[in-house]
Amino acid sequence: AQSVTQLDSQVPVFEEAPVELRCNYSSSVSVYLFWYVQYPNQGLQLLLKYLSGSTLVKGINGFEAEFNKSQTSFHLRKPSVHISDTAEYFCAVSDVGSNYKLTFGKGTLLTVNP
Amino acid sequence: NAGVTQTPKFRVLKTGQSMTLLCAQDMNHEYMYWYRQDPGMGLRLIHYSVGEGTTAKGEVPDGYNVSRLKKQNFLLGLESAAPSQTSVYFCASSPGLAGGPVPGELFFGEGSRLTVL
Repeated sequence: AQSVTQLDSQVPVFEEAPVELRCNYSSSVSVYLFWYVQYPNQGLQLLLKYLSGSTLVKGINGFEAEFNKSQTSFHLRKPSVHISDTAEYFCAVSDVGSNYKLTFGKGTLLTVNP
Repeated sequence: NAGVTQTPKFRVLKTGQSMTLLCAQDMNHEYMYWYRQDPGMGLRLIHYSVGEGTTAKGEVPDGYNVSRLKKQNFLLGLESAAPSQTSVYFCASSPGLAGGPVPGELFFGEGSRLTVL
């Protein structure tokens, strides 16, 4: 069974600063990896995904993530954050062929301060 | 442009009462899921369905039942509510093995907040 560890439960940053949200996973088989974002009082929406190919993937709103198979990591980065990026971010993993059941991390609350 | 719709959005129950949460999707997706979200716990899968008439247990199925009588609907039932079931419940759907733009991308509803007193 797969598992996901998000290493920081809260990350406060100032506007226009860079940010990295860390995610490590464990699985015995090939995986798909995802980052979802949840704005206050809303459902989750897909930010970006890694399925195969290039290990650097770009998503919406200027976010990107890098898949590192040897370190089993999928860290999310943005070079310059905005107030509107304040949200909770979830890393998720799915074993290839698992009927697309996602296992989510516990989330990282990103707070962008002026 | 409805996507995934959950009803009700809010509900307060007393211990021992029963209720049903309804999830409806208009994207013709094969797979549907029920998750619960609790502070500091992330999302945990309760039950899921890979097609009309099928259901399967997820990570935390105890105390819940589900039914998928129609492809577009996925019902989550609580037969005898307990305070431990106080949570925000999210329904999601995905195209499943039929593909879609992103294999494994889930489309979420806005959530149903349940309080059990």
